[in-house]
Order: sequence, then C-alpha cells, then structure tokens
Amino acid sequence: DTEVTQTPKHLVMGMTNKKSLKCEQHMGHRAMYWYKQKAKKPPELMFVYSYEKLSINESVPSRFSPECPNSSLLNLHLHALQPEDSALYLCASSEDRGGGNTIYFGEGSWLTVV
Amino acid sequence: EDKVVQSPLSLVVHEGDTVTLNCSYEVTNFRSLLWYKQEKKAPTFLFMLTSSGIEKKSGRLSSILDKKELFSILNITATQTGDSAVYLCAVEGAIIIQGAQKLVFGQGTRLTINP
Repeated sequence: DTEVTQTPKHLVMGMTNKKSLKCEQHMGHRAMYWYKQKAKKPPELMFVYSYEKLSINESVPSRFSPECPNSSLLNLHLHALQPEDSALYLCASSEDRGGGNTIYFGEGSWLTVV
Repeated sequence: EDKVVQSPLSLVVHEGDTVTLNCSYEVTNFRSLLWYKQEKKAPTFLFMLTSSGIEKKSGRLSSILDKKELFSILNITATQTGDSAVYLCAVEGAIIIQGAQKLVFGQGTRLTINP
C-alpha cells in the first residue's frame, strides 16, 4: 500500500478565511513533505518534516503554517492567503533509509483563493 | 545551485511510436534520480535510479542513468494514448536531513500521444 491521502480535494477560500489541508499516510514513513505546484510548473518544496520535527522550511510566508501532530498526519494551516497562492498543494512521504528513498505523493488539494 | 533540465519540454507523437525523454542534472552529493508521471493530479512514481548503466524496466517503459555524463533517459515503446502526461524527472542531492531528502525537479516534458 503506497497511499498518501489528502483532504479536501478542492478548497475555495476568501482572503480573510482560515482553513486547513490535511494529509495522512499509514506506510510508517517518518518523513513528510508539503509541495506547491502552479499550473504547468514542477512541484516546489515548501516544508519537510522528519520524525515529526520541522527540518526544512523553504522560506515560505508565515500565512502557511505546517503542523505534524503525529507520525501519520501532516496539516497545513492557511490564513490570510493571497490569490497568487492558488495552486495544487501536494503532500508526500518517504521512508528513512538515509537517502535513495522513493517519495510518494498524495492526489493533492486544489486551492483557489478568491 | 542544484539544477535539473529536461528535454524536450513538449512532444507530440502518434500512437505506436517510441519516445525518448531526457533529463540532465547538476547536483552536489547525488543520491538518486526519480521519474514520475503526472496526469491531472499527483505525480505517480515510475522509477528510482541510483547506479549507472543498470536499466530499470516496467512494461513498455524503461530508464537508465549515466552518472559520468550526468543524465538519464526514459524510453516508452509502442506508445498509447494513456501515456499522454507530463513526465517529471527529480534528483535527490545536496541537503540530506535525517530521514528526509530534498528533491530538485526538472520542468517536465509534456507528452501527447495522438491516436
């Protein structure tokens, strides 16, 4: 089973709203990731969690706030977003084998900020 | 700065043709190269390559890595309309945090198979 589950699949939010994207995996992977993908562009790394600790923050604006409540769950809290934040948000996970790991992606959450 | 370049950016062929997609890279501390297929949703994993010269094969798809010349190719034979997608190449290199990795993606090749 190589499944990463993301909810919701689609989200429309206003610029003053607060919402969250959720991600879950039950593969025992200890690394989890958030990527952002704009149309016709490759995924861009936002955050990496390793063993439930934030390891990498790619200079993401504070209106995006990640949270890793446990080893299976990863959230992305959204507040005061801008229309240019509209994109596909991808969650991913990988094993800890010291590199050379396959990263598995969820189906993504399509976010539209109005 | 780590860099992954794919070519061509776009390719249109007829069903039954064979295609070759290219990926070249410049990364420090290369660990692995991955190929993904992306239709209208998330990237799905195709291959991970770590060693030079060893072909990975899955059905009509195959891929090989050349660590001396710093490139990889993805071949698709007897193409079908269902192969139409964006093919992404990604390389793991540079920063390794315990249990995690940082992938650098290429721009992708948009492949269209016409019936």
